[in-house]
Amino acid sequence: NAGVTQTPKFQVLKTGQSMTLQCAQDMNHEYMSWYRQDPGMGLRLIHYSVGAGITDQGEVPNGYNVSRSTTEDFPLRLLSAAPSQTSVYFCASRPGTGTLTGELFFGEGSRLTVL
Amino acid sequence: RKEVEQDPGPFNVPEGATVAFNCTYSNSASQSFFWYRQDCRKEPKLLMSVYSSGNEDGRFTAQLNRASQYISLLIRDSKLSDSATYLCVVNVGGFQKLVFGTGTRLLVSP
Repeated sequence: NAGVTQTPKFQVLKTGQSMTLQCAQDMNHEYMSWYRQDPGMGLRLIHYSVGAGITDQGEVPNGYNVSRSTTEDFPLRLLSAAPSQTSVYFCASRPGTGTLTGELFFGEGSRLTVL
Repeated sequence: RKEVEQDPGPFNVPEGATVAFNCTYSNSASQSFFWYRQDCRKEPKLLMSVYSSGNEDGRFTAQLNRASQYISLLIRDSKLSDSATYLCVVNVGGFQKLVFGTGTRLLVSP
């Protein structure tokens, strides 16, 4: 099983450039989310989606856009990269949206450096 | 106050030791609680869910104290392979938002 697949695994950008981090899951999960992980900050929720066509903001949404046109894909777009967006990004999904389905399945992460 | 706070680390323990981590949460309406494990430069993976009555999985025991708003993780007979960062996770503001603590690093030495 592929599970949650993120691409690219590594990326270096210059300030002001745009890019899209791709996330795909093959488990037919309703819920998908993006986190960033920074030293001393833990994982912080950027955006999440409870199904195709539905997205919402998390804790740190500024500077990021998302869309959910299909159940499988949940891309994260950086419109104008800033050094503060240097981080490790994780995409995660889970089967349902109720309290008993809390296990998040994570991708391997995307390490982004903005110069 | 942070929504989820964990014991500061790292915890350095010898093999065979028992170690406990605590995690406090600020939202009294939270209903879902989990412990995740994250190895260095890897993605987090679910270790165990935390239920109201407490639960055990082999050497690992998780407990929830709603009155004091904290959860705990007890690891008995520590193994070298237990060395990792342990993340406390709580739902905040509804079922859709899971908030992670900053993690507690455990180092088990021979």
